[in-house]
Amino acid sequence: QQQVKQSPQSLIVQKGGISIINCAYENTAFDYFPWYQQFPGKGPALLIAIRPDVSEKKEGRFTISFNKSAKQFSLHIMDSQPGDSATYFCAASLSGGYQKVTFGTGTKLQVIP
Amino acid sequence: NAGVTQTPKFQVLKTGQSMTLQCAQDMNHNSMYWYRQDPGMGLRLIYYSASEGTTDKGEVPNGYNVSRLNKREFSLRLESAAPSQTSVYFCASRAPAYNEQFFGPGTRLTVL
Repeated sequence: QQQVKQSPQSLIVQKGGISIINCAYENTAFDYFPWYQQFPGKGPALLIAIRPDVSEKKEGRFTISFNKSAKQFSLHIMDSQPGDSATYFCAASLSGGYQKVTFGTGTKLQVIP
Repeated sequence: NAGVTQTPKFQVLKTGQSMTLQCAQDMNHNSMYWYRQDPGMGLRLIYYSASEGTTDKGEVPNGYNVSRLNKREFSLRLESAAPSQTSVYFCASRAPAYNEQFFGPGTRLTVL
């Protein structure tokens, strides 16, 4: 049973444009929502994360928007650059303890010049 | 400080062969995880270890076994490899009181 649904599967954006990736979750007990970035041949690395007590978190060109009532959250990449080309995974978990994380299926982003 | 290391980086097995994937972390983390990554499937948890001496099944444990040898090392064993286990395997670790998981570089396994 997939508990985190991610879309789109792939995304092509022109340099300077806005990339938007969406995720929806089912378990209302989740209280930690990270986004991981993965470059080819590398392991995923934490990009940005949010807790459900805030509706938005911004770090540089990356912003998470969170809608608790809709059980949805999204990643926005402003002024997208070719170096942002990677696979992005959303995830959800219960913080603390052993923290079993449920990942989305990933979005392959390509930013073209 | 190497973070999370995995060996080998690549491996080709024949159906029925066995092998052990090694993982070690030097960050003094309690929790460690094994994931597999397949196209269109994201990262799926195979096994995890909340602390030294404990292991638990994740989402897709069938065909795998694990050993938490000590706080640093967490190995994944395939007793009788099958083509369905062709995948990229990632080990990860997490410190207590923090939510970020740190991933290793992965092992790309092909079972013929």
